[in-house]
Amino acid sequence: NAGVTQTPKFQVLKTGQSMTLQCAQDMNHNSMYWYRQDPGMGLRLIYYSASEGTTDKGEVPNGYNVSRLNKREFSLRLESAAPSQTSVYFCASSAQRGPDTQYFGPGTRLTVL
Amino acid sequence: AQSVTQLDSQVPVFEEAPVELRCNYSSSVSVYLFWYVQYPNQGLQLLLKYLSGSTLVKGINGFEAEFNKSQTSFHLRKPSVHISDTAEYFCAVGGNSGNTPLVFGKGTRLSVIA
Repeated sequence: NAGVTQTPKFQVLKTGQSMTLQCAQDMNHNSMYWYRQDPGMGLRLIYYSASEGTTDKGEVPNGYNVSRLNKREFSLRLESAAPSQTSVYFCASSAQRGPDTQYFGPGTRLTVL
Repeated sequence: AQSVTQLDSQVPVFEEAPVELRCNYSSSVSVYLFWYVQYPNQGLQLLLKYLSGSTLVKGINGFEAEFNKSQTSFHLRKPSVHISDTAEYFCAVGGNSGNTPLVFGKGTRLSVIA
């Protein structure tokens, strides 16, 4: 039981490049989330998927897209990376939508030059 | 809409001393409250949560928190800290209706000094 896994762990991009961050969970959870963490800003929700087949914007969705590929997988895509997207990205999942315990992945550290 | 305020961004404390990390929330509905811990270069782990019932909640690693509805607070406490408690701590709130995700505070960095 690996919980929530994220790939890659580290990534360096040049401005304008694109990439997809992958997230998978093996807990049969319905809901999945993408956050970014920046110093002094805490965790900010980018997008979430309350259940398979649905996605919703969070607090800071601009510049990102997501895909809930199936119940296990939820990917985050940066179409044209910008230096402001330099951050640590966390994926999380929860059994139910709403105020349920979230389980976090180890994070992806992204640097955009 | 819910919101969370963690009143201290950094808390230094000597080893074996008690510590309190403060969290206040705002919500128009009944709430669920959570504390998470993040050790360096790791993801967040659940410390404890309040859903209903007893207002004093005990979590892992000797931490506890008390839900105070009148003061809209959910402060985290530990009577004696260890070096290994050095980490960032996040308070989070969720409403008990709808599918709105948790709202996290900005975090409090606890530094335990030997």
